[in-house]
Amino acid sequence: GAVVSQHPSWVICKSGTSVKIECRSLDFQATTMFWYRQFPKQSLMLMATSNEGSKATYEQGVEKDKFLINHASLTLSTLTVTSAHPEDSSFYICSVGGSTDTQYFGPGTRLTVL
Amino acid sequence: ILNVEQSPQSLHVQEGDSTNFTCSFPSSNFYALHWYRWETAKSPEALFVMTLNGDEKKKGRISATLNTKEGYSYLYIKGSQPEDSATYLCARSQGAQKLVFGQGTRLTINP
Repeated sequence: GAVVSQHPSWVICKSGTSVKIECRSLDFQATTMFWYRQFPKQSLMLMATSNEGSKATYEQGVEKDKFLINHASLTLSTLTVTSAHPEDSSFYICSVGGSTDTQYFGPGTRLTVL
Repeated sequence: ILNVEQSPQSLHVQEGDSTNFTCSFPSSNFYALHWYRWETAKSPEALFVMTLNGDEKKKGRISATLNTKEGYSYLYIKGSQPEDSATYLCARSQGAQKLVFGQGTRLTINP
């Protein structure tokens, strides 16, 4: 399967600042990447589908102006949390769509907003 | 069932024992059912993708079954080993690779 990395693995930021999370597909050219988040004691929830060279598709309830997604190349998608607030503190994880509908995940990024 | 539900939420098993847990999901508009193993500080690892009613898949000591008509899947682990300790996630897809996850079953193997 595809190998996916994320950077950083954890980040702490002040309220009101912006944070960028990178998702890289190391051995697979991904036209589609996915961003999920997981709040404590909840399941992974899809936030958006990132499409290379075009706009991302956001799930209902996810603010597209707050969570900026850029997928400029087949190996890199970035998620920027703009003007982060404590309620944005969560675990963010990306995945790459492979063959047979399997998704290959990165290790995730723990965001803490103070 | 409206959401993907997994039970139990956590499970402690003695090394060498076999165990199983359940994933329940809406049976309408079914496309595929996925199982992942997620160890702490690592990426979730894909175990199985199942699409057909009655599917059974096996990977070493781990196997899974699928019943799409009643909306459930079982994951079995035979002869549990400490390295099996992880959270096991199931997810349902409805095409377009959109996965809806359960909360997971956290498995701990006691030596």
